Amino acid sequence: AQKITQTQPGMFVQEKEAVTLDCTYDTSDPSYGLFWYKQPSSGEMIFLIYQGSYDQQNATEGRYSLNFQKARKSANLVISASQLGDSAMYFCAMREGHGNFNKFYFGSGTKLNVKP
Amino acid sequence: EAGVAQSPRYKIIEKRQSVAFWCNPISGHATLYWYQQILGQGPKLLIQFQNNGVVDDSQLPKDRFSAERLKGVDSTLKIQPAKLEDSAVYLCASSPRATTYQETQYFGPGTRLLVL
Repeated sequence: AQKITQTQPGMFVQEKEAVTLDCTYDTSDPSYGLFWYKQPSSGEMIFLIYQGSYDQQNATEGRYSLNFQKARKSANLVISASQLGDSAMYFCAMREGHGNFNKFYFGSGTKLNVKP
Repeated sequence: EAGVAQSPRYKIIEKRQSVAFWCNPISGHATLYWYQQILGQGPKLLIQFQNNGVVDDSQLPKDRFSAERLKGVDSTLKIQPAKLEDSAVYLCASSPRATTYQETQYFGPGTRLLVL
């Protein structure tokens, strides 16, 4: 089974509108972390936001927020007030495990295009 | 603080040739990762080092790929001989300790490899 599933290969959003990028995950470990990264066309992966499995509140970082629904195993990224510079690939990722034996899994990504 | 450095940024080789990539992680980061990212896909972990020891190399094609992290600082990834399907971006990332699920990874700019 896929550890991280991103079902939207591509998304379009109008500038200044909000957009939600979907992510579901699969783990039986009670302790895990969920991450979102942005990858512009330049190629480097930029860390956006983190949510821990025990966190009671949804994480927020500026215009980014993470809609964490633990029972549904979903961790959707919400970008408010989209900007042209938000056009990029977005990857959802999960870290599970403890000590030295921990693994990092990435989804297949969602390509976001922001229209002027 | 300086980020993760990688070189070269681009490399074009012919199949059956060998190639090496270099990575210098963020100072003090104990954990280093090499990922392969094929166009249109999410990153796939090739190998994970904790200091100078290998933690996970289960997805490293060991018949042609090798990696080392001498002295627990910088690292090299080698492909010998290269195949057409090795064309990808090779990303290096580091984490301070990576012994907890809360830690994110910090990525370098990547090396784009084209095998002809």
